[in-house]
Amino acid sequence: TQLLEQSPQFLSIQEGENLTVYCNSSSVFSSLQWYRQEPGEGPVLLVTVVTGGEVKKLKRLTFQFGDARKDSSLHITAAQPGDTGLYLCAGVWSGGSNYKLTFGKGTLLTVNP
Amino acid sequence: KAGVTQTPRYLIKTRGQQVTLSCSPISGHRSVSWYQQTPGQGLQFLFEYFSETQRNKGNFPGRFSGRQFSNSRSEMNVSTLELGDSALYLCASSPQGLPEAFFGQGTRLTVV
Repeated sequence: TQLLEQSPQFLSIQEGENLTVYCNSSSVFSSLQWYRQEPGEGPVLLVTVVTGGEVKKLKRLTFQFGDARKDSSLHITAAQPGDTGLYLCAGVWSGGSNYKLTFGKGTLLTVNP
Repeated sequence: KAGVTQTPRYLIKTRGQQVTLSCSPISGHRSVSWYQQTPGQGLQFLFEYFSETQRNKGNFPGRFSGRQFSNSRSEMNVSTLELGDSALYLCASSPQGLPEAFFGQGTRLTVV
């Protein structure tokens, strides 16, 4: 079983602060995805990282894939209340045209105005 | 392009009953996956259908079943409901050959 551990589980910060959340596994994945889920909604894909050491930026969000493709981090600069939500990482295992996603339990982020 | 549509949004059932949830994927997407989300266990994979065939299956009891129709719409059935089946059930569709999951809003099932 490929398990993904996310930390911290909960994070409450003030608007304008920076934060980093982590996603770790003992398994190597083909790629790794980050999703954000808002209350009452399904998760929405933010980014997919594929290459070990890859860094992707999405406005104030920076995503990094570990060199060994076992871990990832999400850094948010100058957090805003609109960033509030559940952040989920998902490891992707690929076998030809077939693939599986394994999700972590998520980090629940609250950004207070 | 319409997103993934799940019906109903909310459902209350009693123990022992059965329930059927429906999912209409994004047009052109042939892969549909189902997940159970609870606060304690997070997002857990139930099964995936592709072209009317179950392609992958998670570790859930046989009370959980699904099917997919020729138009790619999918249904999930849970029989003999237990209190622990209370959860948000999410459906996701994916374009062929890509692991990107597009989720619906989910069906909130409460078993009393």
